[in-house]
Amino acid sequence: DAKTTQPPSMDCAEGRAANLPCNHSTISGNEYVYWYRQIHSQGPQYIIHGLKNNETNEMASLIITEDRKSSTLILPHATLRDTAVYYCIVRVALRGNEKLTFGTGTRLTIIP
Amino acid sequence: DAGVIQSPRHEVTEMGQEVTLRCKPISGHNSLFWYRQTMMRGLELLIYFNNNVPIDDSGMPEDRFSAKMPNASFSTLKIQPSEPRDSAVYFCASSLSLGTGELFFGEGSRLTVL
Repeated sequence: DAKTTQPPSMDCAEGRAANLPCNHSTISGNEYVYWYRQIHSQGPQYIIHGLKNNETNEMASLIITEDRKSSTLILPHATLRDTAVYYCIVRVALRGNEKLTFGTGTRLTIIP
Repeated sequence: DAGVIQSPRHEVTEMGQEVTLRCKPISGHNSLFWYRQTMMRGLELLIYFNNNVPIDDSGMPEDRFSAKMPNASFSTLKIQPSEPRDSAVYFCASSLSLGTGELFFGEGSRLTVL
């Protein structure tokens, strides 16, 4: 699976949009981009995933560049409860390829 | 709807003792995963099951670790004998099926081996 690069930390003001970048320049055509987050003392939480089209759900939006070498997770109106470590993961969505490689992620702090 | 339930939440034991961690996956989920998280190594996949059958245990660190899934609603991860280096947070996760990448994690069991 392709490697990802994320900034180690970011701050965002409460109520503003939080934009978390992820670089995955070696991504292959059949690899999806997944985002998880881990709030302190909790298990990781699935947020969203996509292949090449932009995706949106009740939690966030995922914007993938046309060349698929980078993506951005957008939390449209950040709240204090969004403070967490956010992981960008790239993997082939194939039965049998079950390992999710969680890197060091981005520690997002929402500022009141 | 209940999520993945793990017990115990915290366990402190002495080196050499047997440790059993328990997990109840989300009802209807066919796949179950055990992960371990440490500061040094991050999140590591230990083993996963599909339809109660172990599929890949290549992440299990050594023979002291074993996992079972006797039925669709229960799994255990056992460490015997435990060692201080086994101290970590152990997470259980479940998903509807293999291949989705959409895992639902429990809150973890924090193990401290003295």
